[in-house]
Amino acid sequence: AQSVAQPEDQVNVAEGNPLTVKCTYSVSGNPYLFWYVQYPNRGLQFLLKYITGDNLVKGSYGFEAEFNKSQTSFHLKKPSALVSDSALYFCAVRSFSGGGADGLTFGKGTHLIIQP
Amino acid sequence: DTAVSQTPKYLVTQMGNDKSIKCEQNLGHDTMYWYKQDSKKFLKIMFSYNNKELIINETVPNRFSPKSPDKAHLNLHINSLELGDSAVYFCASSQDPQSSYEQYFGPGTRLTVT
Repeated sequence: AQSVAQPEDQVNVAEGNPLTVKCTYSVSGNPYLFWYVQYPNRGLQFLLKYITGDNLVKGSYGFEAEFNKSQTSFHLKKPSALVSDSALYFCAVRSFSGGGADGLTFGKGTHLIIQP
Repeated sequence: DTAVSQTPKYLVTQMGNDKSIKCEQNLGHDTMYWYKQDSKKFLKIMFSYNNKELIINETVPNRFSPKSPDKAHLNLHINSLELGDSAVYFCASSQDPQSSYEQYFGPGTRLTVT
């Protein structure tokens, strides 16, 4: 079975500094990897995904993520943090094993706090 | 122009009651899902539904049953509600279950069982 680990419950970054939110995964087969963001009392919003191709993927709101197969990681990054980036971030994986529609497996989430 | 909508947004009810949460998507997607987010923000898949094929997460009690009147709707029925059912329930949809398409989530329904 697939799993996702987000080792940090919270990440604190000063506004304007680069940020990284960590994610590692475990799947059998090729991973489909996603990042979602959740603002307070809101649903999840899709940020970006890695399916195949370039290891660096770019997404919404200036975020990007780097896929590293040898380290089984998919860390979320942004060169310059904004206070409005403060939210709960989820990494998720689908294992394309040829089975049915089994949804996403999520990490436990990382609270990102950007300090002015 | 909401892509995935859920009603109600908040639901407060007593133990033992039966309740339903409605979900509609206007994206023309083939697959819909229900997720549960607990008080610690853990998100877990409950069901996926595609072309009349229902796939159930084995940990979901049979008191929970999804019902799809048509491709655009997947409602969640819960019988004999228990305190532990209190959570935020999210509906989602995607274009194709056997592909790489991302899922689009509704705003959530906060269920409180007293």
